[in-house]
Amino acid sequence: EDQVTQSPEALRLQEGESSSLNCSYTVSGLRGLFWYRQDPGKGPEFLFTLYSAGEEKEKERLKATLTKKESFLHITAPKPEDSATYLCAVENQGAQKLVFGQGTRLTINP
Amino acid sequence: AAGVIQSPRHLIKEKRETATLKCYPIPRHDTVYWYQQGPGQDPQFLISFYEKMQSDKGSIPDRFSAQQFSDYHSELNMSSLELGDSALYFCASSQRTSMLEETQYFGPGTRLLVL
Repeated sequence: EDQVTQSPEALRLQEGESSSLNCSYTVSGLRGLFWYRQDPGKGPEFLFTLYSAGEEKEKERLKATLTKKESFLHITAPKPEDSATYLCAVENQGAQKLVFGQGTRLTINP
Repeated sequence: AAGVIQSPRHLIKEKRETATLKCYPIPRHDTVYWYQQGPGQDPQFLISFYEKMQSDKGSIPDRFSAQQFSDYHSELNMSSLELGDSALYFCASSQRTSMLEETQYFGPGTRLLVL
C-alpha cells in the first residue's frame, strides 16, 4: 500500500529563517510526487510535480527536491504570507488518485 | 486562467437526507477526481473518472455515487447522510492525455454540514 509521511507536523519560524519540510514515501511505482499548499478552508494549491530521483524545481522562495525515498521542500527567507499547510502526495503508476501525507502546518512569525 | 468550479460552496443537510455536489473541470481537462477532507485531516480519495468512465475508486461509501457527463462535469450524489459525512469535499481535474498536464488542480471545495 502506498504511504506518505510528512515531518514535522507543525513548524514555527521567524520571518527570514530558512528551513526544510520532509516527505517520506513508499510506492510500488512512482508516477509523480506532488507538493500543494493549503490555506484553511480552501482547496489545495498546486506548487510542484517531481517525476524522478534527482529532479529539483524552484518557485520564488520554495525549492522541491526528490530522492528515491523522500522529498524535501526547502523554504528560503520565508515571509508571513508563506504560512499555510504544505501537503505532499504521490501518484502510483497504476492508479488515478493521489495519496496524501498529513501535511506540515507552517507558521511564519513577523 | 480558468479554474475548477464547485457548487454549492456550502451545504447544510439533516441526517438521512440526500445531497448532490457538482464539479466543473478546467476546460480541456478529461479527468475528474473527488476527495473528502475531514477537520484536521489530509484529503482522502473517493473516486475518479476519465472520459466519462470510472477510472479508480477509493474509500467511497456505498451510499455515495458519482458520474461524469458528456460535457465532462461531474456530480457526487450522497444519500442517507450521516453526521460523519460532514467534511470538505474537493473536486480536482487533470488532462491525462498530455504527459505535461497530469497534475491535479483542485477546486475551492464544498463544505457539507450534516445536522
